[in-house]
Amino acid sequence: AQKVTQAQTEISVVEKEDVTLDCVYETRDTTYYLFWYKQPPSGELVFLIRRNSFDEQNEISGRYSWNFQKSTSSFNFTITASQVVDSAVYFCALSEAGTGRRALTFGSGTRLQVQP
Amino acid sequence: DSGVTQTPKHLITATGQRVTLRCSPRSGDLSVYWYQQSLDQGLQFLIQYYNGEERAKGNILERFSAQQFPDLHSELNLSSLELGDSALYFCASSVTDSPNEQFFGPGTRLTVL
Repeated sequence: AQKVTQAQTEISVVEKEDVTLDCVYETRDTTYYLFWYKQPPSGELVFLIRRNSFDEQNEISGRYSWNFQKSTSSFNFTITASQVVDSAVYFCALSEAGTGRRALTFGSGTRLQVQP
Repeated sequence: DSGVTQTPKHLITATGQRVTLRCSPRSGDLSVYWYQQSLDQGLQFLIQYYNGEERAKGNILERFSAQQFPDLHSELNLSSLELGDSALYFCASSVTDSPNEQFFGPGTRLTVL
């Protein structure tokens, strides 16, 4: 069965620090998709990125970057020069293509607090 | 704004009651997913519909049911409510049945007293 582990429950940093959120996943499927979502204090879930299992290229979007490593089953998320507005709970999620399970399996989330 | 709408935003009811949560997907999206977010269980998938048909079931209780209508909006029915059903219920939509990104609505916060 698929599983996503976010071992960091809560991280607190000071503004302008870099921070990395860890995500480790388990799946027997060879074709799968990984996602990151942000849940700010207002409660909605905001899509950040999708990565498929065949594309191990790292991705950068502004201050955000993602490092996908199949060898370690990890899909880590780094925020560079963090800002107070980055304070939120971040969820990593997995979707399997081969088994037909399109629904997202979420990790337990990492709460990021960015102090001014 | 994701384009997914959910009503009501908040719902307070008593144990044993029945409620209906409503979701309208983004324009053009055929797939609707329901998720439950609670403190003890985290974010859990409940059920998926694609173009009116049930496609997958997750950890959905027998007391819960859902449907997707011809206009693609979906309703989640929760009956014989228990205190433990208090949670944030999210609806998400995606274009197809492929593992595309799912866009989430603002959620319905259900409180069972």
